[in-house]
Amino acid sequence: EAQVTQNPRYLITVTGKKLTVTCSQNMNHEYMSWYRQDPGLGLRQIYYSMNVEVTDKGDVPEGYKVSRKEKRNFPLILESPSPNQTSLYFCASSLQGAHTEAFFGQGTRLTVV
Amino acid sequence: AQSVSQHNHHVILSEAASLELGCNYSYGGTVNLFWYVQYPGQHLQLLLKYFSGDPLVKGIKGFEAEFIKSKFSFNLRKPSVQWSDTAEYFCAVTPYTGGFKTIFGAGTRLFVKA
Repeated sequence: EAQVTQNPRYLITVTGKKLTVTCSQNMNHEYMSWYRQDPGLGLRQIYYSMNVEVTDKGDVPEGYKVSRKEKRNFPLILESPSPNQTSLYFCASSLQGAHTEAFFGQGTRLTVV
Repeated sequence: AQSVSQHNHHVILSEAASLELGCNYSYGGTVNLFWYVQYPGQHLQLLLKYFSGDPLVKGIKGFEAEFIKSKFSFNLRKPSVQWSDTAEYFCAVTPYTGGFKTIFGAGTRLFVKA
């Protein structure tokens, strides 16, 4: 089954403790991206990747890092999480960039206390 | 800056009522347009998309949207809603700027009363 898998689904952590949210897709998509969803703000893009070893900042990249060492994986790293990063995070992939349909993961609800 | 505006943040309808959700974007060039739906507790799924051609596009579950270039709009419609349409709806735009960003609207929460 074609899917985008994120882990974990729920995470509560403390300020400053590094964490990684994993994202994996099995559709051989070139383009992957991370979004955060906050009430009243919709989805805002954090980072995106056009292919292996090619990443770029989205609209809200501060406090986040990403890597794309393999085509299928696109982890989101929070080196020193802060409470304002409490949010719902979605990973998405698409075949050929942002101009094609995006397939979303189930989401990761992160709480930073 | 490029932006996407969804005029209604919350909509409450009774079953069988007609639905129209507004979406306007601020980019003047060529765009790809999408509507995504997020059912409670689930991830976003594509409802429909417009790339080119007929400006009236049909999607899944009886939804359709009309692209009006002169108004920079891409409104979502459904003639008769069902309780199962209760969800949050997001309009999204990908401008042909040479970049690879998709811009989402803030979303519209639809509640359909049975």
